[in-house]
Amino acid sequence: DVKVTQSSRYLVKRTGEKVFLECVQDMDHENMFWYRQDPGLGLRLIYFSYDVKMKEKGDIPEGYSVSREKKERFSLILESASTNQTSMYLCASTPLNRSRGWDTEAFFGQGTRLTVV
Amino acid sequence: KQEVTQIPAALSVPEGENLVLNCSFTDSAIYNLQWFRQDPGKGLTSLLLIQSSQREQTSGRLNASLDKSSGRSTLYIAASQPGDSATYLCAVTGTASKLTFGTGTRLQVTL
Repeated sequence: DVKVTQSSRYLVKRTGEKVFLECVQDMDHENMFWYRQDPGLGLRLIYFSYDVKMKEKGDIPEGYSVSREKKERFSLILESASTNQTSMYLCASTPLNRSRGWDTEAFFGQGTRLTVV
Repeated sequence: KQEVTQIPAALSVPEGENLVLNCSFTDSAIYNLQWFRQDPGKGLTSLLLIQSSQREQTSGRLNASLDKSSGRSTLYIAASQPGDSATYLCAVTGTASKLTFGTGTRLQVTL
């Protein structure tokens, strides 16, 4: 059974704190993604990674950074948490060969509900 | 920039009814389209994946179609059950392997 695991289901952090959200996949997928989900706005891409130590900005990267030191792990970092970063954060992974459109099913973690107070 | 729209935003139907959820996208240059289910407070579960060269996919009571040239997909749910109540999201994969999501259709199936 394939799995994408996010380290926390719920987090409460204070404004200004540095926050780490961890995501691990056991499917040997090359691509990993971080999204945030907000009511009325849907899922928006923050960052993604094609390979170890590679990262690309998504649509809303401001206030975030990422780290991918190992293939199976993709971390999202909030350098200085703010209340407008209160959201549901979702991690996903997909295998390579997207250019062919084959076997590119995306798998998601269970989500982390982050509240910044 | 790719934009994905889902209509309706919310839907309530009695148990047993057949229903159709709609998804449209503005850029037809996609590699695939995926339908997901999301239960409240949970992550996304993949339901069906349609490659750009395919017209439809079926899984149990679910059938998804894709008309890439017109930028449309539909998810057909047959004989709906209360357990089908959830939010349904469609997403398209375009260049750079990124998924672009619609805002979802919230479905409630009543007894």
